[in-house]
Amino acid sequence: QKEVEQNSGPLSVPEGAIASLNCTYSDRGSQSFFWYRQYSGKSPELIMSIYSNGDKEDGRFTAQLNKASQYVSLLIRDSQPSDSATYLCAVIKTGNQFYFGTGTSLTVIP
Amino acid sequence: DVKVTQSSRYLVKRTGEKVFLECVQDMDHENMFWYRQDPGLGLRLIYFSYDVKMKEKGDIPEGYSVSREKKERFSLILESASTNQTSMYLCASSLTGAPKPFFGPGTRLTVL
Repeated sequence: QKEVEQNSGPLSVPEGAIASLNCTYSDRGSQSFFWYRQYSGKSPELIMSIYSNGDKEDGRFTAQLNKASQYVSLLIRDSQPSDSATYLCAVIKTGNQFYFGTGTSLTVIP
Repeated sequence: DVKVTQSSRYLVKRTGEKVFLECVQDMDHENMFWYRQDPGLGLRLIYFSYDVKMKEKGDIPEGYSVSREKKERFSLILESASTNQTSMYLCASSLTGAPKPFFGPGTRLTVL
């Protein structure tokens, strides 16, 4: 079983819609959760971190964490073509070792 | 802002060559990581280091070694490059107290 699982997509949404990206993790002891955005040919860029159950909002982005269900999601409101990228979910178990999902490809259609 | 730099953006080497990839961070981070990224396989951890002269194997250490002689610098060494090591190599660093990994720009290595 993989540490972090994501649907690879591709996910397509029209401009202005809400994009919903999901991630599950296997270890209940996981402490910290991150979402990265990666444009083609570029390195991952941290966009959200979340550490406790519930929602965390930052501009058009909302991260949601449900530790009981071992589930993390990222909502992008008012999606823009510039949001088209691959989104990576990352999890820290104990210590400082990170585990990444394989990423979900998002396309926002103008 | 944290800055993580890598020695080359693009590198072409021949099979059997010894290859050095260097990574430098300027924010006094304790932790440094080397990943490779391949289509469909995501980011795979090669080696990581929690401190100077410390190193730990990741998920795919075979064919690689690392060196961390100074806190800000973490080097990845391909002892004898092979074509299956053609990949994007990403370095990252993080602070132990606030573990948000920041990535360098990546090195796209091609082994011919």
